[in-house]
Amino acid sequence: QKEVEQDPGPLSVPEGAIVSLNCTYSNSAFQYFMWYRQYSRKGPELLMYTYSSGNKEDGRFTAQVDKSSKYISLFIRDSQPSDSATYLCAMSAGGNNRKLIWGLGTSLAVNP
Amino acid sequence: EPEVTQTPSHQVTQMGQEVILRCVPISNHLYFYWYRQILGQKVEFLVSFYNNEISEKSEIFDDQFSVERPDGSNFTLKIRSTKLEDSAMYFCASSERGGSSTEAFFGQGTRLTVV
Repeated sequence: QKEVEQDPGPLSVPEGAIVSLNCTYSNSAFQYFMWYRQYSRKGPELLMYTYSSGNKEDGRFTAQVDKSSKYISLFIRDSQPSDSATYLCAMSAGGNNRKLIWGLGTSLAVNP
Repeated sequence: EPEVTQTPSHQVTQMGQEVILRCVPISNHLYFYWYRQILGQKVEFLVSFYNNEISEKSEIFDDQFSVERPDGSNFTLKIRSTKLEDSAMYFCASSERGGSSTEAFFGQGTRLTVV
């Protein structure tokens, strides 16, 4: 089983839709969970960071972590064409294990 | 807003040549990282660096790779003898706190093409 799995899509939605992106993981040691946005041939841009289980909201973005199911989600409300990008989940165990383990990324297109 | 800066944006090199990729991390950050992303594949961790030494490295980071912080601002990745399979986007990242490389901020990347 891969450490982090993420459906690559592509996902295409109309402007204004609610978008749901998710990742599953197998390593129960992961405690830090991040969502990055990446535009074509650019560096990943940190969107959301969550520690352990729970929800975190920032503007139109909500991140959820369910450690019991080893499942994380990112919701985008009122999606805009400018949200069109690849969204990557990344996670780490913390402590002395600082490296981020990444999903493949989901390609999202928001159509005007 | 502070950002991680990488140069060059694109590097083409012949197989067997040495390349140095350069990064200027965010100034008050303490932890530095290199990742790479082969086209169509996942982002992969290469190495983390703290207090002037490597704190963690992956299996990819073999003897052909080295990192250095030659002065107070630059952080470099050297590949001694490039192979075709080293062609990828290389990302530098930095974070203020360690413990988990949480909230790591990434540069725009250097696209390395080995021919």
